[in-house]
Amino acid sequence: SQTIHQWPATLVQPVGSPLSLECTVEGTSNPNLYWYRQAAGRGLQLLFYSVGIGQISSEVPQNLSASRPQDRQFILSSKKLLLSDSGFYLCAWSGQGVSKNIQYFGAGTRLSVL
Amino acid sequence: ELKVEQNPLFLSMQEGKNYTIYCNYSTTSDRLYWYRQDPGKSLESLFVLLSNGAVKQEGRLMASLDTKARLSTLHITAAVHDLSATYFCAVDPTSGTYKYIFGTGTRLKVLA
Repeated sequence: SQTIHQWPATLVQPVGSPLSLECTVEGTSNPNLYWYRQAAGRGLQLLFYSVGIGQISSEVPQNLSASRPQDRQFILSSKKLLLSDSGFYLCAWSGQGVSKNIQYFGAGTRLSVL
Repeated sequence: ELKVEQNPLFLSMQEGKNYTIYCNYSTTSDRLYWYRQDPGKSLESLFVLLSNGAVKQEGRLMASLDTKARLSTLHITAAVHDLSATYFCAVDPTSGTYKYIFGTGTRLKVLA
């Protein structure tokens, strides 16, 4: 069966510090991968998605970047965090093809920028 | 601008009562998803609706899709406390990339 791992679960970082969040998927190959952010009490905002290694699409101009160095690894980064980067970050994956279009979410990383 | 709107945003209901959450979207799509999120937790997939007229049921929850009206409903029957959570609908408006647009969410509280 497929599983998705996200870490760390919680992170407190000072303004101006770098960020690296990692997400890995097991039990499937060539998944679509996604990074979302959820502000407190709000809905989900799609930040990045990837349909293959090295293929990253950015949805919202911001202080963040994403990379996919391996088929099942998706990394969210920032060189200098802003206060507004605080939130709940969720990684998700879906299969390829219309019949595999459900997105499955990781446990999330709660980021507080102080 | 693509919009997915849910109402109500907040819902407090007594155990045993019935209620419906509505999800309206502004773009053409024949794929709609419902998720549940418990406080501080991730999202759990509830229903996948892939065509006009699709109806799915799981326990006390039933979801339906009307693509012509661009409307999905999540009906709760005889609510119990364990259903307390935030419910999100999501629409995939772009064929092939599965880029969901999430609704605003409905925070449901079932009172014992």
